[in-house]
Amino acid sequence: EDQVTQSPEALRLQEGESSSLNCSYTVSGLRGLFWYRQDPGKGPEFLFTLYSAGEEKEKERLKATLTKKESFLHITAPKPEDSATYLCAVQNQAGTALIFGKGTTLSVSS
Amino acid sequence: DVKVTQSSRYLVKRTGEKVFLECVQDMDHENMFWYRQDPGLGLRLIYFSYDVKMKEKGDIPEGYSVSREKKERFSLILESASTNQTSMYLCASSLAGGETQYFGPGTRLLVL
Repeated sequence: EDQVTQSPEALRLQEGESSSLNCSYTVSGLRGLFWYRQDPGKGPEFLFTLYSAGEEKEKERLKATLTKKESFLHITAPKPEDSATYLCAVQNQAGTALIFGKGTTLSVSS
Repeated sequence: DVKVTQSSRYLVKRTGEKVFLECVQDMDHENMFWYRQDPGLGLRLIYFSYDVKMKEKGDIPEGYSVSREKKERFSLILESASTNQTSMYLCASSLAGGETQYFGPGTRLLVL
């Protein structure tokens, strides 16, 4: 069964304190791994798609990496506006639907 | 920019009422999806559609139905709302061969 596990569930950082969020997955043939950001009471906002092990993508203070079993979302020198829930999802070769993890809620304080 | 809109941000309904949630996308996407999101459970797929008048059940279709009469519009119907359907409902769309799904702002539904 395809599955996505995100850790930690919650993470508190000080402004400028870099860290990483983890997304472990098992999937029957990875078609893509996705990262989304979700602010409270809003819909998820697309961040990145990764397709193969070794791939990396960056956007401002965020960098996503992918191995054969997990993905990391690295946050460098975070700011309070980076506070949100970060969702990871995978899509297998056979399917159209995404399988989501439960998310990591990040709080960055100044 | 992809734009997915949902008809209501907040809805309050009574148990037993028939509820319609509407979703419209403006990017000519073939695929459309309905999810619900609950604390501790994450996003769960209710139904999706890969073409007009086509639909596929997701992981939790019980108590729901859908309608897709036009390519840009996908409706979620709660035939007889129950309190356990109180949730955040999210619509998404994607291209037929594309993987990335783009989400709407969500509808927070409270069933009393």
